[in-house]
Amino acid sequence: NAGVTQTPKFQVLKTGQSMTLQCAQDMNHEYMSWYRQDPGMGLRLIHYSVGAGITDQGEVPNGYNVSRSTTEDFPLRLLSAAPSQTSVYFCASRKKSGSGNTIYFGEGSWLTVV
Amino acid sequence: AQSVAQPEDQVNVAEGNPLTVKCTYSVSGNPYLFWYVQYPNRGLQFLLKYITGDNLVKGSYGFEAEFNKSQTSFHLKKPSALVSDSALYFCAVREPAGNMLTFGGGTRLMVKP
Repeated sequence: NAGVTQTPKFQVLKTGQSMTLQCAQDMNHEYMSWYRQDPGMGLRLIHYSVGAGITDQGEVPNGYNVSRSTTEDFPLRLLSAAPSQTSVYFCASRKKSGSGNTIYFGEGSWLTVV
Repeated sequence: AQSVAQPEDQVNVAEGNPLTVKCTYSVSGNPYLFWYVQYPNRGLQFLLKYITGDNLVKGSYGFEAEFNKSQTSFHLKKPSALVSDSALYFCAVREPAGNMLTFGGGTRLMVKP
């Protein structure tokens, strides 16, 4: 059971370039989300999805797009990278049913925008 | 809006001593509370959670946390710290009907031999 898988692990981008961070989970979880982690600020929610075909904005959505065409995949797109998007990105998932379901995180993607 | 505060950026403790990592929260209604641990260059690992029931929750690696509704706190504790407990710890809260998990800023735990 692979859990939540993110690629790439590390990436360096030039300002203005675009790229996609991939996320896949094999636990049949309905909920998926993307967070960014910055020093002293904890994890902040970028976008989330409660099921295939449904996405919504989190706390810091600007500059990012997402789509959810399948239950398993939830890619995060940076359309025109900016230095402020230098961060560590985490994908997460959890089941919808049941109370207080635990969120499971991927191993992270370290992104540097120069 | 829900929020989480971890008032200490870093906690230092000697190996074998008890440790406490503090967390307070603000949420409408009854909270779902979580603790996660992050080791260097890794993702977050689930430690424990409070949903309902007993205020003292036991989790992985000998950690426990006590839910205190009157003080809106959910402090993480361990009776005897290990050097291998050194890591970054995050407290998080979610409303039962909500979709969003809100994290605190994190507390770095340093356990010295």
